[in-house]
Amino acid sequence: DVKVTQSSRYLVKRTGEKVFLECVQDMDHENMFWYRQDPGLGLRLIYFSYDVKMKEKGDIPEGYSVSREKKERFSLILESASTNQTSMYLCASSPLTSMGGIQYFGAGTRLSVL
Amino acid sequence: AQSVTQPDIHITVSEGASLELRCNYSYGATPYLFWYVQSPGQGLQLLLKYFSGDTLVQGIKGFEAEFKRSQSSFNLRKPSVHWSDAAEYFCAVGPQTNAGKSTFGDGTTLTVKP
Repeated sequence: DVKVTQSSRYLVKRTGEKVFLECVQDMDHENMFWYRQDPGLGLRLIYFSYDVKMKEKGDIPEGYSVSREKKERFSLILESASTNQTSMYLCASSPLTSMGGIQYFGAGTRLSVL
Repeated sequence: AQSVTQPDIHITVSEGASLELRCNYSYGATPYLFWYVQSPGQGLQLLLKYFSGDTLVQGIKGFEAEFKRSQSSFNLRKPSVHWSDAAEYFCAVGPQTNAGKSTFGDGTTLTVKP
């Protein structure tokens, strides 16, 4: 089975802190994604990456950056955390070719910024 | 631009009753279509997918969905709901490229009454 592992299930940070959310996948997938999930707003794409060191902005990239130095790891960075970034963050991965975009999700990180 | 609409934010059904969750999409060509389920506190899991061919697709946990091109719909059904089906359900549309990026609906929360 594909496994996507997010390093923390729950995080509590203070306003202004630099926050790292880590995601690792074990299926050699080319694509990786970061979403945030808020009640009533569904899943909103923050950033995605289709190859090592390659990234593209999603729908809501402001206040976030990402890093993909190795194929299996995709990190989301909050440079200076703010209270409006309190949310559930979901990481996903998908293969590049014939599976047509099926995404495999981690269990999520619930981040609270105080 | 592609979009997905799930008209029902919240649905309540009795255990053993049938279920239909609605999904309408907007996309310029024949899309890849997906239904995902999210149990409380978890990431999303693929229920079923439509790529091409038979417009009635079967998924896990006894779910099925029907692609209707004329109505731009991909509704999810289950003949008899179990209490364990209580969850949030997301419809998604993906492009037929290797980028694997999908657009998700806002989700429908299913409550199952005993």
